[in-house]
Order: sequence, then C-alpha cells, then structure tokens
Amino acid sequence: ILNVEQSPQSLHVQEGDSTNFTCSFPSSNFYALHWYRWETAKSPEALFVMTLNGDEKKKGRISATLNTKEGYSYLYIKGSQPEDSATYLCALNAGGTSYGKLTFGQGTILTVHP
Amino acid sequence: NAGVTQTPKFRVLKTGQSMTLLCAQDMNHEYMYWYRQDPGMGLRLIHYSVGEGTTAKGEVPDGYNVSRLKKQNFLLGLESAAPSQTSVYFCASSYMQGGQDFGPGTRLTVT
Repeated sequence: ILNVEQSPQSLHVQEGDSTNFTCSFPSSNFYALHWYRWETAKSPEALFVMTLNGDEKKKGRISATLNTKEGYSYLYIKGSQPEDSATYLCALNAGGTSYGKLTFGQGTILTVHP
Repeated sequence: NAGVTQTPKFRVLKTGQSMTLLCAQDMNHEYMYWYRQDPGMGLRLIHYSVGEGTTAKGEVPDGYNVSRLKKQNFLLGLESAAPSQTSVYFCASSYMQGGQDFGPGTRLTVT
C-alpha cells in the first residue's frame, strides 16, 4: 500500500494571506501526481496533473510544484479568498500496472476567514 | 455535457439487502472508478475499469461487484449490504491517466 501524506491536516488563514501545503509520496513509485480541490457538499475537482520532475503548474492564484526525486509536491495559494476554503487532496499514480489508479492523501482542510 | 452522473443520490438499505449504483459519463472516457469516502479515511478505490468489458479490484473491493458492459456506464453492486458499507460513494472517469472527473456522490446508509 502506497503512503501518500499531506500536511498540515488543517489550516486557518486570513483573507489575503498566501499559503502552501505539502504532499509527500514514495519517490520510487511515480507516474503522476494529481491535485484536487474538494468543496463542502460538492465533488472533487481536478486542479493539476503533474508528471515531470521540476514541473510547475498554475491556475489563477493557485500553483503547484513537483519534486519526484525527493518525493514531494507543494501547492501554493496566493492572496487567499474565502471561496478558496476547501479540502485540497493530492493523489499519486504509481504507474506500471496500476493504470489510472490513484492513491489519495488525507487532504488539507483550508479555511479562509474574511 | 452532463459529465459524470450517479443514480441514486441517497439510499437507505437494511442489512442483507442488495442494490446497484449506476454511474454514467458522456465524455467518452476509457477509465472509470468507484470510490468510497469515510470520515478520517479519505477516498479509497473500490474497483475500476480501463475499458468496456474490463474491471479490476482496487484497495477495498470486498463486498462489492462491478460491471462495465457499456463504455459510458459503470455499475457498482452490493449483493448483501452490511452496516460497514454505510458511506458516500463517488464515481469518477478519466481520459486515460489524466485528471479524474467525479460524480456528485451517492449517500448510502445500511441499518
């Protein structure tokens, strides 16, 4: 069983603050790393799929970086807004015969206070 | 496009009853997945399919069966429901190994 860990478990920030969270995964089992945003009472929504070491992806105020050699990815949110409040999930695709199977981390719960 | 839809949205079963959850997608995705979401456990993969007529076990397959007779549909069956299967079930689909599109979820309670 692959171990995908996210930290912190939860985070409270003020509107306008910039913040970041971490996703750690075994570097020996890697095909792709996914990030999802999951708002309360909704379904997970794909943010990024990252495959190359050193990859950096950006979507509006949200960006992510990837280090496959050391087994971690960072998600950054610049100038947090209350609508950014959600659980942010990372998920590892280990490749090989796992096809598109994802192993999810437990998520980081972000609360942005107005 | 409707995206990924799930039927039903809510269901209450008694222990021992059976039911089938239907997932449908209109994006022509090859890959489809069934997850369950439990407090403190995150999303766990039950079964998945990489194409019409193929299925495979995920992380927690016991007590569930699946079928993918048509590319756009992925069915999850519970033959004899148990209280431990009380959960929220999410279906997802993807184009090959890309980002997954999730359905709205089905909340199942087994009493």
